[in-house]
Amino acid sequence: AQSVSQHNHHVILSEAASLELGCNYSYGGTVNLFWYVQYPGQHLQLLLKYFSGDPLVKGIKGFEAEFIKSKFSFNLRKPSVQWSDTAEYFCAVSNDYKLSFGAGTTVTVRA
Amino acid sequence: GAGVSQSPSNKVTEKGKDVELRCDPISGHTALYWYRQRLGQGLEFLIYFQGNSAPDKSGLPSDRFSAERTGESVSTLTIQRTQQEDSAVYLCASSLKPQQEAFFGQGTRLTVV
Repeated sequence: AQSVSQHNHHVILSEAASLELGCNYSYGGTVNLFWYVQYPGQHLQLLLKYFSGDPLVKGIKGFEAEFIKSKFSFNLRKPSVQWSDTAEYFCAVSNDYKLSFGAGTTVTVRA
Repeated sequence: GAGVSQSPSNKVTEKGKDVELRCDPISGHTALYWYRQRLGQGLEFLIYFQGNSAPDKSGLPSDRFSAERTGESVSTLTIQRTQQEDSAVYLCASSLKPQQEAFFGQGTRLTVV
């Protein structure tokens, strides 16, 4: 069965620090990859997506992610976080039609 | 509408009662998903609808759970004889086509007392 693993449950860091969140998936076929973010009190929204082409994708708010096929990974990065990046981040993988999510990583940015 | 709409936003129900949750997807979106999110946990897949195809019900946790969708319109998720462990946020999402970006509603927070 397809699964999505996020390595960190909770990350705490200071403003201007760099952020990297790990995501690995188990499915071996063709997949589409997503990162979603849920800010406090808001609904889930798309941060970025990868379908094909350049494995380094850029999303909103300065986030980027790199797809490494050989490692089945799709890690999320931001060079310098802000307090407003405090949120929960979910990695998601779609193959055929099923959209599976990781358990999520709570990111707390201290001012 | 402009986004995915779910109702009610909050529902408190007594154990043993039936509840019905509603989802209005974005117009024209053929794919619709239901997920459950328990406190502090990730999104648990429940059911998937695609156009007029048979739904994928593989994520429904028990036969107390059922869902319907007519064509590419509104979907309802019904939980019969609710239990306390059913307390969670139930999220609906739709996408234009399978494997495309999914747009989420605000969710229905269900509390079973």
